[in-house]
Formats: sequence, C-alpha cells, structure tokens
Amino acid sequence: GESVGLHLPTLSVQEGDNSIINCAYSNSASDYFIWYKQESGKGPQFIIDIRSNMDKRQGQRVTVLLNKTVKHLSLQIAATQPGDSAVYFCADTPWGGATNKLIFGTGTLLAVQP
Amino acid sequence: DAGVTQSPTHLIKTRGQQVTLRCSPISGHKSVSWYQQVLGQGPQFIFQYYEKEERGRGNFPDRFSARQFPNYSSELNVNALLLGDSALYLCASSTGTGPFYEQYFGPGTRLTVT
Repeated sequence: GESVGLHLPTLSVQEGDNSIINCAYSNSASDYFIWYKQESGKGPQFIIDIRSNMDKRQGQRVTVLLNKTVKHLSLQIAATQPGDSAVYFCADTPWGGATNKLIFGTGTLLAVQP
Repeated sequence: DAGVTQSPTHLIKTRGQQVTLRCSPISGHKSVSWYQQVLGQGPQFIFQYYEKEERGRGNFPDRFSARQFPNYSSELNVNALLLGDSALYLCASSTGTGPFYEQYFGPGTRLTVT
C-alpha cells in the first residue's frame, strides 16, 4: 500500500551544523509533499512543501529536495539550533484526491547538542 | 488569531466505554480532518469533513465516527474502546479540500484507555 517512510529514526547534530533528514516514499503517483515539525506535547507544524513538478524549494534556513527517480525526499536545515530539536515527519498526498488526506512517515527525532 | 483548539486535553477511559473528542477549526476554515497518532509513529488519517460532508475516510473500524456542525466545528466519537485506541488524536483544519491546501494542526487530545 501507500507509505512514506524515513531512513533514520534519530539524528544527533551539534548546534550550528547543518542537518539532513531523509524520507522515502512508495507511491510514484504522489503529487505533493510536506515536511512537518512536531515538538513534544504539540501538534505537527508545517515547515515547507514541494509539488511533484519541482525538485528543490527553499525557505528560511530550510531546503527540501525531491528526487522522483528514486522516490526520495530530504529536508536540509542550515545552522541547526536547539529550538530545532523535535520529531520531523514527511507527508504525502496521493495524486488526484479530492481530500486533504496526508500519509505520514514514522518520523525522525532530531536532537541538537549545544 | 486563535489556532485550532481541541478538547479535552487529556482523557482516561475504560475498555468498552465511549468517548467524544471536540475540535474547533481556525476561523474561516471549512475543512476539518482527524488523525490518530500512536506513540512513536506518524499520524494516521481517520476522517475529513468539508462543508459538513464526509470527504474522506481512513482505514478505521466503524467504531469511529465523526460529524461536522454548521459552525464547522467537529466531533470524533469512538465506541467500544479498546486498549489499542490509546493515542494522541489530532485535528487539522484548512480553508478548502484537496491536496494543496495547507493544514493547521491542533495540540491534540491524549486518550488513554485502561
């Protein structure tokens, strides 16, 4: 079935370093991808999105890369800060759907060491 | 502006009981989606309602039901609770329905079934 998964369950980085969080998706018909950040005790928070007709999109300190050939998505965080510590999820929406259904991966815990 | 609100924050129920969770979307948002997040996993889609009509349903048993009211708030009901229903229940709202509408998540209701 459809699934969005992550390679690494936990990522530990030093403050100031760049972080890269990876995600693999299985549905080649996926049309839209989103990265969410979830802090303890809170709901997921939108970080950045990318449509399937793009391969790169940049935001403030974050960049999402999409490789449709290998069905891989990554989130790059520049100059990682302690406030970036959270669980990061990639999510995908099936193409052609008229719903808001999101398919989430398991998540990667990002731990920023001071 | 207030974000998505959910009530109650925490809830403890016994197996076999019934529970009702409530969600108030962001003002102006007509779509509400419900997700179940088991500890250590990504959220799983349960339902979406748009303009008081069900627009999508995930792979959950009929014990799960929901509705949306004229003011666009929503309730999620779960009957005959099982231990496996213990999870964080998230509500997300958006202005429309379809894959490209950004969804805003509430803080969730933590349900514990004993």
